[in-house]
Amino acid sequence: ETGVTQTPRHLVMGMTNKKSLKCEQHLGHNAMYWYKQSAKKPLELMFVYNFKEQTENNSVPSRFSPECPNSSHLFLHLHTLQPEDSALYLCASSQEMSGDSQETQYFGPGTRLLVL
Amino acid sequence: SQKIEQNSEALNIQEGKTATLTCNYTNYSPAYLQWYRQDPGRGPVFLLLIRENEKEKRKERLKVTFDTTLKQSLFHITASQPADSATYLCALPMDSNYQLIWGAGTKLIIKP
Repeated sequence: ETGVTQTPRHLVMGMTNKKSLKCEQHLGHNAMYWYKQSAKKPLELMFVYNFKEQTENNSVPSRFSPECPNSSHLFLHLHTLQPEDSALYLCASSQEMSGDSQETQYFGPGTRLLVL
Repeated sequence: SQKIEQNSEALNIQEGKTATLTCNYTNYSPAYLQWYRQDPGRGPVFLLLIRENEKEKRKERLKVTFDTTLKQSLFHITASQPADSATYLCALPMDSNYQLIWGAGTKLIIKP
């Protein structure tokens, strides 16, 4: 058990649906991340929160909306997605983000998303 | 911008042999480099971190090397076992901030 949980594990949605992905970490970390992983491609960082503040938004379309109510929980709200958004969405956490940090990241199992 | 290259072809190794995976980067030398293991349908799991001033790091059957001249890290698994079959990812920090950038991973298959 990595200490990072994600729900749901699988999600099928139509392009007009609205859904949310949930991530919870039980490690006492202060930084949380959303990644997108498509087949045979590198992990793509989407959003970063450090001490509940969003620090990065890597040119992610507005149909993806993150929310971080506290250091333990992270959500990814989805609406009007496209078929090309189908992928594995991974949540991760680390102790914190800082200039001297060599933080390792702890990942959840991911949500396998299929957009029809 | 920094790019990471890992062999996209699956690596097939006979059980008991040493598996060697390669991670090459293109631009600046990072302060450290990390290796992760990812099983199908699961998130990556951290294995080892090696710093720029370290030539080699070991953990049980795992060994990582870091050659800043060649801009390359090698990941070795000795006495490989079928349970070592997985995809192995390397990651290193961006120059401009402390985000990690990732290789696409190499799939390792250990045959009994």
